[in-house]
Order: sequence, then C-alpha cells, then structure tokens
Amino acid sequence: AQSVTQLGSHVSVSEGALVLLRCNYSSSVPPYLFWYVQYPNQGLQLLLKYTTGATLVKGINGFEAEFKKSETSFHLTKPSAHMSDAAEYFCAVSGGPTGFQKLVFGTGTRLLVSP
Amino acid sequence: DARVTQTPRHKVTEMGQEVTMRCQPILGHNTVFWYRQTMMQGLELLAYFRNRAPLDDSGMPKDRFSAEMPDATLATLKIQPSEPRDSAVYFCASGFFMDRGDSYEQYFGPGTRLTVT
Repeated sequence: AQSVTQLGSHVSVSEGALVLLRCNYSSSVPPYLFWYVQYPNQGLQLLLKYTTGATLVKGINGFEAEFKKSETSFHLTKPSAHMSDAAEYFCAVSGGPTGFQKLVFGTGTRLLVSP
Repeated sequence: DARVTQTPRHKVTEMGQEVTMRCQPILGHNTVFWYRQTMMQGLELLAYFRNRAPLDDSGMPKDRFSAEMPDATLATLKIQPSEPRDSAVYFCASGFFMDRGDSYEQYFGPGTRLTVT
C-alpha cells in the first residue's frame, strides 16, 4: 500500500525566510507525487506534481519540489515566504495497483508566516 | 475559468435526517471523486466514478452512505440517516483520466461543511 508522511503538523517561518515542508512517501511502484495547498474554507489547489522526467518540478506561486528516489522524499520549498503563503499543505502519492487516479494524502502541514 | 461547484456550502441538520450533497464536475472531466475531511482522520477518499460508473467505494460506510452520478454534470452523495460522527467537510473533485497521456490532476470544489447535531 502507498503512504505519505509529512513531518511537522505546523511549520512557522518569518516573511522572507526559506520555506521547507517535508514529505516522504512509500510506494512499491514508481510514484506520482503531488503537493496541494488549502486556504481557509476553500478546497485544495494543485501546487505542483511529479510524474516522470525532470526530478525538480516548479509549481505556482514560486514553489518547487524535488523528487529524490534514494531518499523517498518530495520536499516542498520556496526561497522567500510571503504572508499569503499561510495555508495548509498536503503531499499526496498515486500509482500502483490502485491506479494513478487514486490519491493517498498525508496529514497536512500548516504553514504559519509571521511579519 | 472552469471550476467544480458544490451545493450546499453549509448544511446543519439533526441526527437521523437525510442529507444530499451535490457536485457539478468540470465539463469534459470523466472522473469524479468524493472526499471527506475531518481533524481526526484528515482527507479520506470515499468513492470515485469513471464515466459515471462507480470504480471504488471502499472508503464509504455502505449502510448509510450512497453516491451516484445521474448524469455527466451531476454527482450526488447521500447520507441516510445522518449521525453526529458524519460532521465533516465533504469535497468533490474531478479530473480527466485515461490509461495514458492524462494529466493526473484532480480539481477540487470548495466543499460542503456538514454539521449533524
């Protein structure tokens, strides 16, 4: 079975600081990996995805993530945090016997940005 | 700007009542998902449909929950009878999936916040 572990339910940064949200996955087959963002009282919005090809993927709002197979990781980064980045972030994996349409989500990391 | 729409956005009901949540997927998408989000369990996949046919509803309590797609523009999730433990935010998502060449993206609606008292 596939699974995702997000380290840290809350991450606090100052505006302008580096954002690093950690995600490790478990999958018996080459995974497809996703990061979604959820703003308060809204649905989830796709930030970026890795399927095949280049392991460093760039997404919206200046975020990027790197797929590292040897570390089974897909950490999300942004060089400089903005106040508007405060939200909950979910890492997700798909693939394997259940197919690529079935996403397994992590428990989420709430990003807090202080002035 | 194509979006997934969900109605109602908020629903408060008493235990034992029937609840129906509706979702309009993005036009052209062939796969529709229902998720439930709670503080304790996080995001759980309840069921999903491909071309209106149910593919997997293993995440759904069968005795009280049912999901259908009467047509390509409407998906419904019903709870009968509702219980306080069903209180959660229910999300619908849609996407276009085929064996090859699809984007693998799911587009989420704004959710229905259900409170069962």
